[in-house]
Amino acid sequence: GQNIDQPTEMTATEGAIVQINCTYQTSGFNGLFWYQQHAGEAPTFLSYNVLDGLEEKGRFSSFLSRSKGYSYLLLKELQMKDSASYLCAVIKAAGNKLTFGGGTRVLVKP
Amino acid sequence: NAGVTQTPKFRILKIGQSMTLQCTQDMNHNYMYWYRQDPGMGLKLIYYSVGAGITDKGEVPNGYNVSRSTTEDFPLRLELAAPSQTSVYFCASRTGDYGYTFGSGTRLTVV
Repeated sequence: GQNIDQPTEMTATEGAIVQINCTYQTSGFNGLFWYQQHAGEAPTFLSYNVLDGLEEKGRFSSFLSRSKGYSYLLLKELQMKDSASYLCAVIKAAGNKLTFGGGTRVLVKP
Repeated sequence: NAGVTQTPKFRILKIGQSMTLQCTQDMNHNYMYWYRQDPGMGLKLIYYSVGAGITDKGEVPNGYNVSRSTTEDFPLRLELAAPSQTSVYFCASRTGDYGYTFGSGTRLTVV
């Protein structure tokens, strides 16, 4: 089986930085995804990490350490529209199945 | 390209009724998936398919059935609806490169 853990909820101020951690335990690891999901909408792709290190994409960055089973998503210069749930998901090579964590709801306050 | 299209968007079922959630993709993706998402939770995999004619169970398959007769379509069938199946259902597809494309979801309530 797979365990994917991430905090349930985080609150931050507009313009600040928030880091969402995700830890996982899985065999046959083939990559880690981060998705953003606004209330009542479908998840949308943010990032994909398969090698160790930091991937930067504008205000969003994602980090992976395969040896530690750890990833984080960093949101910089927070905007009100960043209030959403952020889903960490791990993919295994077999079957190309994504397994999701429970999601972290981020609330951005003025 | 329409991407992944799900119908209906909303449905209320009575206990014991049956229904089919439709999912169609026009991207010629081999891999297709059905997930359910309960309030405030992550997504759980119900069934998936790696190509036409091939389906397999995910984490929570009980109470559901699927078929994949074409590359485009991957319907999900509920035979005897139960309150525990009240959820939002997402269909998704993938080519094998990174990134899933999700449909807009079907919000199902069983009363």
